[in-house]
Amino acid sequence: AQSVSQHNHHVILSEAASLELGCNYSYGGTVNLFWYVQYPGQHLQLLLKYFSGDPLVKGIKGFEAEFIKSKFSFNLRKPSVQWSDTAEYFCAVMDDNYGQNFVFGPGTRLSVLP
Amino acid sequence: NAGVTQTPKFRVLKTGQSMTLLCAQDMNHEYMYWYRQDPGMGLRLIHYSVGEGTTAKGEVPDGYNVSRLKKQNFLLGLESAAPSQTSVYFCASRTDRTHDKNYGYTFGSGTRLTVV
Repeated sequence: AQSVSQHNHHVILSEAASLELGCNYSYGGTVNLFWYVQYPGQHLQLLLKYFSGDPLVKGIKGFEAEFIKSKFSFNLRKPSVQWSDTAEYFCAVMDDNYGQNFVFGPGTRLSVLP
Repeated sequence: NAGVTQTPKFRVLKTGQSMTLLCAQDMNHEYMYWYRQDPGMGLRLIHYSVGEGTTAKGEVPDGYNVSRLKKQNFLLGLESAAPSQTSVYFCASRTDRTHDKNYGYTFGSGTRLTVV
């Protein structure tokens, strides 16, 4: 079964700083990759997804992610964060097991200081 | 609005009590999942269903049971609650059509369960 690791447990940035959150999954082949965001007290919402094609994927709210197959990575980026981006971010990969469920990383908490 | 609805939103149980969490989706999704979310551990899959009348165990199924008698509903039961089951529970559903532009999980708003 797949596993997902996220490099940072907690990231603290000032507004307008650039963001990169790391994500690695355990094995290759065809992978479907996702980033979800969870704002405080809310459920997870889809930011972006990668199935195939252009490895640079653009999502909502100015986020993008780059799939690098050779590194088993799918890092999330944003050029300039805002206070409203304060949330927890989860990387996920679709697994062939368990009804093709999504395996989630442990999450990275992002705090943006005004 | 279309989506996934979970009830209840909050619940406090005493050790040994039982309860059922309800998940309902109106998007005609085939796949439904129950996860628990604990600090620093992300989401862990409890049980899942790939269609009406089918259920299967996920990563952490012990102490839970599920049923999917109707396509739109996926019930999670705790027969004898334990403090270790204190968590936030999320239901999710998805289409099986990978080319659907909305492909991905749709999550419910969660149930915060405390077992004392």
